[in-house]
Amino acid sequence: AQSVTQLGSHVSVSEGALVLLRCNYSSSVPPYLFWYVQYPNQGLQLLLKYTTGATLVKGINGFEAEFKKSETSFHLTKPSAHMSDAAEYFCAVSRNQGGKLIFGQGTELSVKP
Amino acid sequence: DTGVSQDPRHKITKRGQNVTFRCDPISEHNRLYWYRQTLGQGPEFLTYFQNEAQLEKSRLLSDRFSAERPKGSFSTLEIQRTEQGDSAMYLCASSPTDNQPQHFGDGTRLSIL
Repeated sequence: AQSVTQLGSHVSVSEGALVLLRCNYSSSVPPYLFWYVQYPNQGLQLLLKYTTGATLVKGINGFEAEFKKSETSFHLTKPSAHMSDAAEYFCAVSRNQGGKLIFGQGTELSVKP
Repeated sequence: DTGVSQDPRHKITKRGQNVTFRCDPISEHNRLYWYRQTLGQGPEFLTYFQNEAQLEKSRLLSDRFSAERPKGSFSTLEIQRTEQGDSAMYLCASSPTDNQPQHFGDGTRLSIL
């Protein structure tokens, strides 16, 4: 079975500050991991994905995530927050890239001016 | 690439009525997925299709729910005898193969009066 836990349902940072959104997963098989962003009343947009290979993954809008197998983590970071980063962020796990996604409960990111 | 299209965007109906949603995937995407997202939660997998074949259904998909993809292109999700608990955002996603990430539509928000 696979599952995802996102630590912190709300995270608030100041503009220009580091963004760190936490995600831990559980999987009985090598996982495929994803971060999606959702703006109000919209669908989900893929930020980045980990499949195999390099454990540090770079995505769109300056985000990156590091897969740490020993910690079963896939935390999302961005060095400098922008107002436009305010949104809901979801971590997800799957058995393959195109398989059904198991999502965490989401983290709402607020960015203060 | 016009993206995944969902119709309608919003649906308000009375309890006990039947509703049907439509999803048009990205052209030539063989896989099509349905998810349900309730307020403040991550999306939950409902079902998916490979072309016209429905390959997996979640136990969340009660007998009041039915999904079809008759010609392997667009899909419909029907809910019969709607209940208050059916109020949610219904998201559709598609991918070209089982080895490519999913692209999401903007969803259909269902409100049950």
